[in-house]
Amino acid sequence: GQSLEQPSEVTAVEGAIVQINCTYQTSGFYGLSWYQQHDGGAPTFLSYNALDGLEETGRFSSFLSRSDSYGYLLLQELQMKDSASYFCAVRANSGNTPLVFGKGTRLSVIA
Amino acid sequence: KAGVTQTPRYLIKTRGQQVTLSCSPISGHRSVSWYQQTPGQGLQFLFEYFSETQRNKGNFPGRFSGRQFSNSRSEMNVSTLELGDSALYLCASSFDYEQYFGPGTRLTVT
Repeated sequence: GQSLEQPSEVTAVEGAIVQINCTYQTSGFYGLSWYQQHDGGAPTFLSYNALDGLEETGRFSSFLSRSDSYGYLLLQELQMKDSASYFCAVRANSGNTPLVFGKGTRLSVIA
Repeated sequence: KAGVTQTPRYLIKTRGQQVTLSCSPISGHRSVSWYQQTPGQGLQFLFEYFSETQRNKGNFPGRFSGRQFSNSRSEMNVSTLELGDSALYLCASSFDYEQYFGPGTRLTVT
C-alpha cells in the first residue's frame, strides 16, 4: 500500500520561507503532487514532480528525491493568503491504483 | 471551460436514510474520483471511474456505491446513513496527472 506522512501543522511569519515535508512508503509511483486547500474551499493543484529535483512555479517550489522517499513543498515570500492546508499525493505505478493523499499540513501565516 | 460541478452543495439527512450525490466533470475528462473528507483525516479515497468502469475502490463499506454515465457524469450513493458519514464529499475529474476538484457536497447526518 501507499503511506504518506506530513506534519499536521506549521506556523510561519509573513514574508518568510517555509518548507512542508512529505515522506512516503510506496515501492514505485508516477510522481509526487501537491494540492492547496483553503478553509471552506476545494483542493487545487499546485505542482507535480515526475522526476527527482526541483520544480519552480512562482513563489512555490516542489522537490522530489525518490532515493530518499522524500519530497517537500517550499513557499517563499509568505503571504497571509497562503494560510491553508497543503496535501501531498502519489499514485503507485503498479496496476490501476488511485491517487492517495497525505493527511495534510495546516499552514498558518502570522504577521 | 466550466469547472467540476457537484450537486447538491449541502444536504441534511437522518440516520438510516439514503443519499445520492452528483458530479459533472470538466468537459473532455473521462476520469472521475470521489473522496470523503473529515477533519483530521485528509482525503479518503472512495472510488475512481474511467469511461463508465470502476477502476478503483477505496476501503469503505458496501453502503457506499457509485457509477459513471456515458457522458462522464458520476453519482455516488450512500445507503443506511450513519452519523459517521457526515463529511465533505469531493469529486475530482482528471485528464492526466492533475485532478480538478469540485466544490464538494457537505453532508450532515443527524
